[in-house]
Amino acid sequence: AQRVTQPEKLLSVFKGAPVELKCNYSYSGSPELFWYVQYSRQRLQLLLRHISRESIKGFTADLNKGETSFHLKKPFAQEEDSAMYYCALRGNNNDMRFGAGTRLTVKP
Amino acid sequence: GAGVSQSPSNKVTEKGKDVELRCDPISGHTALYWYRQSLGQGLEFLIYFQGNSAPDKSGLPSDRFSAERTGGSVSTLTIQRTQQEDSAVYLCASSVTSSSGGRTDTQYFGPGTRLTVL
Repeated sequence: AQRVTQPEKLLSVFKGAPVELKCNYSYSGSPELFWYVQYSRQRLQLLLRHISRESIKGFTADLNKGETSFHLKKPFAQEEDSAMYYCALRGNNNDMRFGAGTRLTVKP
Repeated sequence: GAGVSQSPSNKVTEKGKDVELRCDPISGHTALYWYRQSLGQGLEFLIYFQGNSAPDKSGLPSDRFSAERTGGSVSTLTIQRTQQEDSAVYLCASSVTSSSGGRTDTQYFGPGTRLTVL
């Protein structure tokens, strides 16, 4: 069975500091990994996906199959990055599993 | 264009009553997902519809939960004999499906229905 683990429910950093949101997964097939974000009073939306290998709003995430991780990183956090972040895995059958989420707070 | 819409936005009901939650996906999106978002529990997958195929119901927590998708578009999630632990935000998402490989693309989420069971 596929599983996504986000070990930190809450993460707080100061503006300008680096931030890393951890995500580990377990899946026997070839997964696709995503990060979704939900800003205050907004809908959940896609932030980035591993197959795109792109940087969105300064965030990057690299799929590490050896460590089964897909950590989200940003070198210099901004206050507007404060939000709820969900790591998600899509299996071969298009079934999606989300982690419990990490609430990031960036303090001024 | 219009995004995913859900109704009602809020629903308060009494324990034991049945409720229906509606989702209107983005036009042309063949895949539709229902999730439950509870405080501290993250997003819990409930059910997935893909075109005319049999839905993946593996996430439904009990037989009190069911969902339909009529005409490949609008979907209704029904919860029978509601319990207090059913209180949560119910989210719907839709996406297109790639013609090659059959993988679904980015999910677009609705605003959710906040269900409160008294």
